[in-house]
Amino acid sequence: DAKTTQPPSMDCAEGRAANLPCNHSTISGNEYVYWYRQIHSQGPQYIIHGLKNNETNEMASLIITEDRKSSTLILPHATLRDTAVYYCIVTMYQTGANNLFFGTGTRLTVIP
Amino acid sequence: DVKVTQSSRYLVKRTGEKVFLECVQDMDHENMFWYRQDPGLGLRLIYFSYDVKMKEKGDIPEGYSVSREKKERFSLILESASTNQTSMYLCASSVAGGPGGYTFGSGTRLTVV
Repeated sequence: DAKTTQPPSMDCAEGRAANLPCNHSTISGNEYVYWYRQIHSQGPQYIIHGLKNNETNEMASLIITEDRKSSTLILPHATLRDTAVYYCIVTMYQTGANNLFFGTGTRLTVIP
Repeated sequence: DVKVTQSSRYLVKRTGEKVFLECVQDMDHENMFWYRQDPGLGLRLIYFSYDVKMKEKGDIPEGYSVSREKKERFSLILESASTNQTSMYLCASSVAGGPGGYTFGSGTRLTVV
């Protein structure tokens, strides 16, 4: 699986958009980009994933560059409850179990 | 609306004890996983299973074993607990054959004394 690079920490004002970057310059053509988050003392929570196109769901938007070497997770209106560690993961679609490698992520702090 | 349930939130065990961590999911998922999470190390995969009675080693299987007798239940076993197995243990499940995300349990914080 391709390695990802994320900033260790970021701050965002409450109500503003939080843009979390991720570099995955060695991504291969059949690898997906996944985002998870982990709120303190809880299990990780799946947010969104994409292959080539930008994706949006009720939680967030995922913007993937045309060359697929980087992506950005956007939380459009950050709230205090969005304070968490955010993980960007790149992995292949597999017919069996998907082994997701979680790195150390970005600690997002939403400030009142 | 709990979908992946881990039997204990906190657990304290003595060195040398045999420890069972239980995980149950109600989503009829084929795949199940056990991770451990330690500060600065992120999540590391211990074992996973893609079918009943099937298991595969992850990145750090030493000192652990697993059991999957029923589709909904995946157990992690510490044969002889040691202090370096003090950690947060996370169970997860996912659908087979698709790129969908994992659903995680709330975790079990195990302390071995």
